[in-house]
Amino acid sequence: DIQMTQSPSSLSASVGDRVTITCQASQDINNYLNWYQQRPGMAPRLLIYDASTLQRGVPSRFSGSGSGTAFTFTINSLQAEDIATYYCQQYDKLPLTFGGGTKVEIK
Amino acid sequence: QVQLQESGPGLVIPSETLSLTCLVSGDSITSYFWNWIRQPPGKGLEWIGYIHSDGSTKYNPSLESRVTISVDTSKNQFSLKLRSVTAADTAVYFCAREGPIFGVVTDWGQGTLVTVSS
Repeated sequence: DIQMTQSPSSLSASVGDRVTITCQASQDINNYLNWYQQRPGMAPRLLIYDASTLQRGVPSRFSGSGSGTAFTFTINSLQAEDIATYYCQQYDKLPLTFGGGTKVEIK
Repeated sequence: QVQLQESGPGLVIPSETLSLTCLVSGDSITSYFWNWIRQPPGKGLEWIGYIHSDGSTKYNPSLESRVTISVDTSKNQFSLKLRSVTAADTAVYFCAREGPIFGVVTDWGQGTLVTVSS
């Protein structure tokens, strides 16, 4: 299985800050990477696919980059409603695998 | 707008079979891939497997010996059976739609908590 390692596991930032999360794959996954947001008590929501393509309806303050084994997810200007856990997920090979998650809190 | 709704028992006895159904509305189940994904309390996400409307399936090797996913196109729903459950199978179980891009899960049910306990 392809292992996905996210860091940090949690972070605290102020409203308006730029937040960056990294995701490392255990092998080359090209750009076959998704990012999801999971608010407390809710199902995950797709934000970004193909490493950098914004899903329809997702605010433009969210962005993603990277390819191969190293990926970055950024929230430009953190908002209060962005409090959530964020997960990366690879789809280069089955089984689909997820990172361990990054919990984002407001300082 | 597709909607997915999980249903099934919230409590399963150890060694028995966990059975869940996902009713799909707002779109036909005859397209895309239909997944089950679970999340133990306070932990991360684990892909269980998927089924296509043609009946083809893929499972996570870690669960493959105990899992069956089936589809009923006449009812626009698909189902999960997980045999010989233990406490480690306690989780919120999500049904979800994958596609049109393979591997991209675009729509999720709200999830249902299944507790394995005697």
